[in-house]
Amino acid sequence: GQQVMQIPQYQHVQEGEDFTTYCNSSTTLSNIQWYKQRPGGHPVFLIQLVKSGEVKKQKRLTFQFGEAKKNSSLHITATQTTDVGTYFCAGLHTGANNLFFGTGTRLTVIP
Amino acid sequence: DAGITQSPRYKITETGRQVTLMCHQTWSHSYMFWYRQDLGHGLRLIYYSAAADITDKGEVPDGYVVSRSKTENFPLTLESATRSQTSVYFCASSLGQGQPQHFGDGTRLSIL
Repeated sequence: GQQVMQIPQYQHVQEGEDFTTYCNSSTTLSNIQWYKQRPGGHPVFLIQLVKSGEVKKQKRLTFQFGEAKKNSSLHITATQTTDVGTYFCAGLHTGANNLFFGTGTRLTVIP
Repeated sequence: DAGITQSPRYKITETGRQVTLMCHQTWSHSYMFWYRQDLGHGLRLIYYSAAADITDKGEVPDGYVVSRSKTENFPLTLESATRSQTSVYFCASSLGQGQPQHFGDGTRLSIL
């Protein structure tokens, strides 16, 4: 089916350590988007990747879209306490009408 | 984002009651969405709308009704609430199909 699997479900890191979350789809994606949801908040759009092999950076965040357009990753370098929250990927399957959200990775940063 | 507002923020009701969650956006976005968020399930699409008077089912539509008589409003109604519908509900909007979505602050709904 049209699902987007995301791992890990939870991640605890010491402040300053790196963090990576991964998304995988069994079918090709037209695009993939990443969102961040702070505790008690709502999802906020971070970035969209469209091209095969695309890499985008936002300060300490690096986003990648796989060559086959079936997987993506978000990497945070040197985490800070402000990075705490749940990170969701959302994929648009080729030919589909809507985004499918991954189950999210909840990041805890220990000061 | 101030451009999309949900009401109420919190609601407690009883099983069997009808309850309507409101969503209003000021961007004139074509697409609007309703999601429910439950632990371990992420965001699941209930219904979406591509334009006024056009609505379609998402992943988990059973027990819900939507309407979109005006572009800016997209209310979600639980016609006979059940405990399994206890959840956090998010409304979102986007410019077009597959485009980035802007979310409201959510409604935390508890059904006793």
